[in-house]
Amino acid sequence: QSALTQPRSVSGSPGQSVTISCTGTSSDVGGYNYVSWYQQHPGKAPKLMIYDVSKRPSGVPDRFSGSKSGNTASLTISGLQAEDEADYYCCSYAGSYTFRVVFGGGTKLTVL
Amino acid sequence: EVQLVESGGGLVQPGRSLRLSCAASGFTFDDYAMHWVRQAPGKGLEWVSGISWNSGSIGYADSVKGRFTISRDNAKNSLYLQMNSLRAEDTALYYCAKAPGSSGWFDYWGQGTLVTVSS
Repeated sequence: QSALTQPRSVSGSPGQSVTISCTGTSSDVGGYNYVSWYQQHPGKAPKLMIYDVSKRPSGVPDRFSGSKSGNTASLTISGLQAEDEADYYCCSYAGSYTFRVVFGGGTKLTVL
Repeated sequence: EVQLVESGGGLVQPGRSLRLSCAASGFTFDDYAMHWVRQAPGKGLEWVSGISWNSGSIGYADSVKGRFTISRDNAKNSLYLQMNSLRAEDTALYYCAKAPGSSGWFDYWGQGTLVTVSS
């Protein structure tokens, strides 16, 4: 049950776009269209940003988008804003007969 | 408004037990799966356990299997995590999270309850 692989950090200037990758296996990311992404600011609970690979909950800006190719999912944030600076975690369903979920190690996004 | 309020955390010695609770409100509790996710100090998120709406499907992370037991009481709108044989590496903030389906994503999270395992 290994964690999904994310870059430790990414950065971008206001207005730019950044993409965070999330690499798993055919048993998790590649096997299901159930990848989700969470934003976490310091001292706060995680917030759902993307679910089912590319769907956005209501209230999440359309600057946030998700995609998947094979065993790798991606979160793209366009038009970076200062408030986007946070930790981002990917997550994937990983169970076929029981509940099993795996998170990525997290990526620190710095807005320069 | 959906609210998830965890309780039961605290300081406990290695090898001892602790029971966490999560009180849910603002939604029809028995319509949804529920999960526990933890975060060690300064570390990332780790899924711990999940339970379906009717307790018919349950899963655990390998790191807690055989030591932790998840349960729910739909009449009380409550989720529980019984943690036995606690280890130092179980020290973390434990979040309760609501899952709209069985696909393993979480739309609401509580604020967490801190468990510290230390002698």
